[in-house]
Amino acid sequence: DAGVTQSPTHLIKTRGQQVTLRCSPKSGHDTVSWYQQALGQGPQFIFQYYEEEERQRGNFPDRFSGHQFPNYSSELNVNALLLGDSALYLCASSYLLPHEQFFGPGTRLTVL
Amino acid sequence: GESVGLHLPTLSVQEGDNSIINCAYSNSASDYFIWYKQESGKGPQFIIDIRSNMDKRQGQRVTVLLNKTVKHLSLQIAATQPGDSAVYFCAENMSGGGADGLTFGKGTHLIIQP
Repeated sequence: DAGVTQSPTHLIKTRGQQVTLRCSPKSGHDTVSWYQQALGQGPQFIFQYYEEEERQRGNFPDRFSGHQFPNYSSELNVNALLLGDSALYLCASSYLLPHEQFFGPGTRLTVL
Repeated sequence: GESVGLHLPTLSVQEGDNSIINCAYSNSASDYFIWYKQESGKGPQFIIDIRSNMDKRQGQRVTVLLNKTVKHLSLQIAATQPGDSAVYFCAENMSGGGADGLTFGKGTHLIIQP
């Protein structure tokens, strides 16, 4: 049983560019949450998708958007990249309620 | 500001000793708490969780204690092993787990001395 998978593993972009990160949830899970983890910090919640809709959003600007597909996989898009967007982006999957969230290995994004 | 925080950024213990990692939370409405372990270059790994209707829960070599009166959470690791070296995060939410985002603290780096 595969766990949560994310692609790519690493990514380097320049300021102003756009990036798309991908996540496949753990088998049987229907909810995907995205987190941003800056170096030396705890993960910060970006948003959560359920039934192909954004269900909840953290304190992130509209440059951060996402999508969930019918097979429950998800994408995170970030437009107009800033140097401060450099971080580890984590995807977590779960059943909507009441179970724990399982995390993927993350995508390391570097913005130059 | 963050709802969840940790008292110590680094904890160094001798191999074989017990480790206690502490966490304070400020949102009294939170009803679900989780401890995650994150090794270098990996995503957070679930260790143990506890719901607000409990004050103690035990797993394999780990125990989580919840004190709602003072809004304090702790993780106890028995007979610490080298493989326990990692950063430990507590996290919380108000929806019982899968729904809604988790609020994480900054983390405690557990270092095991031989």
